[in-house]
Amino acid sequence: GNSVTQMEGPVTLSEEAFLTINCTYTATGYPSLFWYVQYPGEGLQLLLKATKADDKGSNKGFEATYRKETTSFHLEKGSVQVSDSAVYFCALLGPQGAQKLVFGQGTRLTINP
Amino acid sequence: KAGVTQTPRYLIKTRGQQVTLSCSPISGHRSVSWYQQTPGQGLQFLFEYFSETQRNKGNFPGRFSGRQFSNSRSEMNVSTLELGDSALYLCASSLGQGLNIQYFGAGTRLSVL
Repeated sequence: GNSVTQMEGPVTLSEEAFLTINCTYTATGYPSLFWYVQYPGEGLQLLLKATKADDKGSNKGFEATYRKETTSFHLEKGSVQVSDSAVYFCALLGPQGAQKLVFGQGTRLTINP
Repeated sequence: KAGVTQTPRYLIKTRGQQVTLSCSPISGHRSVSWYQQTPGQGLQFLFEYFSETQRNKGNFPGRFSGRQFSNSRSEMNVSTLELGDSALYLCASSLGQGLNIQYFGAGTRLSVL
């Protein structure tokens, strides 16, 4: 079946540092890939998406590129802020149209001023 | 446009009781999916409803059930509550066809004592 593996957390960085959160997936066919973010006490917010190989999703300074050859969708940001502190989830949606998101285990990110 | 609304935000129940959670999707969205989030198991798919029919189901016991109304609002019910049912229950809505980006509500936090 489909699965998503994220890098182990938690991750702690200083403000303005470079961020990478690794995400790899296993899926049949060509899934759509997503990054969601969860702030304390809230639900999930869609951060960015990519629907086919080599697509780059971007939003609020975050980027991720759909790499089919390495089955990866790593999240990056060039300069993080304290307000980026949250839990980040990588997820995939299978190509068969079923509305079943498969999530990674989540990575807790803390940014210190 | 209003987002996904889940009620109530918090619930406290005792073992053996049953509970009903409600989800109002974004206007125009016909698909509602439910997820359970726990520290140990992460985010797990419960089921999805589209046009009042259950279209997909995850690996949860029959104590977990749901339904969808003609206005796309959805409810999920958990009967004979167990301590392990304590979790954040998230609802997501989407158009239900094509690339279905799922938008999440803030969740209902259920505590079973």
